[in-house]
Amino acid sequence: QLVLTQSPSASASLGASVKLTCTLSSGHRSYAIAWHQQQPEKGPRCLMKLNSDGSHSKGDGIPDRFSGSSSGAERYLTISSLQSEDEADYFCQTWGTGFRVFGGGTKLTVL
Amino acid sequence: QVQLVESGGGLVKPGGSLRLSCAASGFTFSDYYMSWIRQAPGKGLEWVSYISSSGSTIYYADSVKGRFTISRDNAKNSLYLQMNSLRAEDTAVYYCAREGGDDNYFHYWGQGTLVTVSS
Repeated sequence: QLVLTQSPSASASLGASVKLTCTLSSGHRSYAIAWHQQQPEKGPRCLMKLNSDGSHSKGDGIPDRFSGSSSGAERYLTISSLQSEDEADYFCQTWGTGFRVFGGGTKLTVL
Repeated sequence: QVQLVESGGGLVKPGGSLRLSCAASGFTFSDYYMSWIRQAPGKGLEWVSYISSSGSTIYYADSVKGRFTISRDNAKNSLYLQMNSLRAEDTAVYYCAREGGDDNYFHYWGQGTLVTVSS
């Protein structure tokens, strides 16, 4: 069974960088994922699709401060030059025939 | 631009039914898979169901199988979720989302509609 694992929380200072991690379960390290951001009291929005080779394609209007990378079963979202509006929940998601799966989400606090 | 607008949420008693709608605009609706995703209060995201562009292929999460029915009307650019035998644990904000043409992550999301199941 495919499971995506995320740390429940992360924090970083205004103007700094942070790297969030999404880990694919054993046997599924070739899967691409998508990163989604959900700001408080808002619906989610898609940040990017991230492939196993680290290539990624960003959603409409997503700033260059957001980037993705991969290593083995790990998929990363790096946010640089943190701004207050980056304080949000971040979810990874993957897919296959008959299923769509989310990670549990990481709550990012900007200090 | 792509817009997805959900409606139909509300308060319903356990065992009751509700039908959600999602009105799509800004893209050729009949070209894309669509999904319903839900989020219980204070919790993460849970995929509920998806339907192929033609409506011929449908899948459900185990938690709703046999109780919920997804459908679409491509002539009306609309997606639906019929929810029967509702339980307290179905209480959530329900989002519709558009998937990609060549891949199945959620490119665009609606703003959600709240369903509360309570006596």
